[in-house]
Amino acid sequence: GAVVSQHPSWVICKSGTSVKIECRSLDFQATTMFWYRQFPKQSLMLMATSNEGSKATYEQGVEKDKFLINHASLTLSTLTVTSAHPEDSSFYICSARDLRTSGPSTDTQYFGPGTRLTVL
Amino acid sequence: QKEVEQDPGPLSVPEGAIVSLNCTYSNSAFQYFMWYRQYSRKGPELLMYTYSSGNKEDGRFTAQVDKSSKYISLFIRDSQPSDSATYLCAMTLSGGYNKLIFGAGTRLAVHP
Repeated sequence: GAVVSQHPSWVICKSGTSVKIECRSLDFQATTMFWYRQFPKQSLMLMATSNEGSKATYEQGVEKDKFLINHASLTLSTLTVTSAHPEDSSFYICSARDLRTSGPSTDTQYFGPGTRLTVL
Repeated sequence: QKEVEQDPGPLSVPEGAIVSLNCTYSNSAFQYFMWYRQYSRKGPELLMYTYSSGNKEDGRFTAQVDKSSKYISLFIRDSQPSDSATYLCAMTLSGGYNKLIFGAGTRLAVHP
């Protein structure tokens, strides 16, 4: 159980274009989804938290107009990198959890396999 | 000072060795402690989850939390080459959801 998928697994795009990354919870309903980015040999950096049906909460320093997050259903969240530039090249990982069923023994997140974005 | 400190390694051990990975943290309010394993170019996979202090064992893996010292550990017994990965500690506050705070991750290499 608790499987999270991401699509695409990798993408190469030209500078100035927009890229959409999908995150799906396959066997549970995700009331909350998180988006992280990870640079090589570095840890995960939380970008934003999104709750189903409401606006995402962005971490300090993350441009909300550049990284558009939509969480329209309990199983799908999307991250759109708008007007991508080479410095946006990174590994983007989503995670999901179901706040309605979690408790002290299950209060954790399940991660997707990640999407590698390369902007030329 | 970072909230969570973790030695990035790399740590290289022979097959069969006992591996000790650890993290220290500064926020005494952390209540939930996790260890994730991340293979290269993959998402993190939850290995161990501990609430508050104590030990937890799952197969070859043992997680320890010492809240008085603000120190957590992950032990891997009889390490295998397939254990070669980056191990990330993570922790969060109590009382409903709070964001995970990750350590930098320790790269482990188990050689035959």
